[in-house]
Amino acid sequence: KNQVEQSPQSLIILEGKNCTLQCNYTVSPFSNLRWYKQDTGRGPVSLTIMTFSENTKSNGRYTATLDADTKQSSLHITASQLSDSASYICVVSAKGSTLGRLYFGRGTQLTVWP
Amino acid sequence: DAMVIQNPRYQVTQFGKPVTLSCSQTLNHNVMYWYQQKSSQAPKLLFHYYDKDFNNEADTPDNFQSRRPNTSFCFLDIRSPGLGDAAMYLCATSRVLGTNTEAFFGQGTRLTVV
Repeated sequence: KNQVEQSPQSLIILEGKNCTLQCNYTVSPFSNLRWYKQDTGRGPVSLTIMTFSENTKSNGRYTATLDADTKQSSLHITASQLSDSASYICVVSAKGSTLGRLYFGRGTQLTVWP
Repeated sequence: DAMVIQNPRYQVTQFGKPVTLSCSQTLNHNVMYWYQQKSSQAPKLLFHYYDKDFNNEADTPDNFQSRRPNTSFCFLDIRSPGLGDAAMYLCATSRVLGTNTEAFFGQGTRLTVV
């Protein structure tokens, strides 16, 4: 069964600190993995997208890693800011006959305190 | 500029009263998706269009219907909303292109059923 599991479910950190969010998946055949940021009451916004051959990808203070062998990904946020408070969703795409089918994790709710 | 636009952002409807949510895109993408997202849960795919081909998820209730009159627009019709249909409804688009299919989400429509 194609699944995406994220941990932790929620996380509270102080402003300026770093944190790492985890994503494990069983989606096969794998196409790509994305991390999205979803602010409360808004649609998800893409942070990174990684294919099978990519190990690391950065977008500003966000760095995503992918280990396709162990089917694990992480999102590292450095020097956190109050505006980083949001849900971070791991989404894995499967190769399909017609579509890049998307499988969503339940997200990690990050709260950054001043 | 917004590329996937959902209207309205907030919708209040009465129990059993039909309601239509709309989504438009300026990306000329082949694929359009409708997701239902309840509080603290991952988005759940309801259906998608690949061009004019409609693909319904097996567990999507018959109460939910969709129309795609042209490439740019897609509608979600809820024929008889129940209290359990209150959720955020997300529209997304993608263009199938190799393995790096990016999905773009709208801001969502928050549906309240009273």
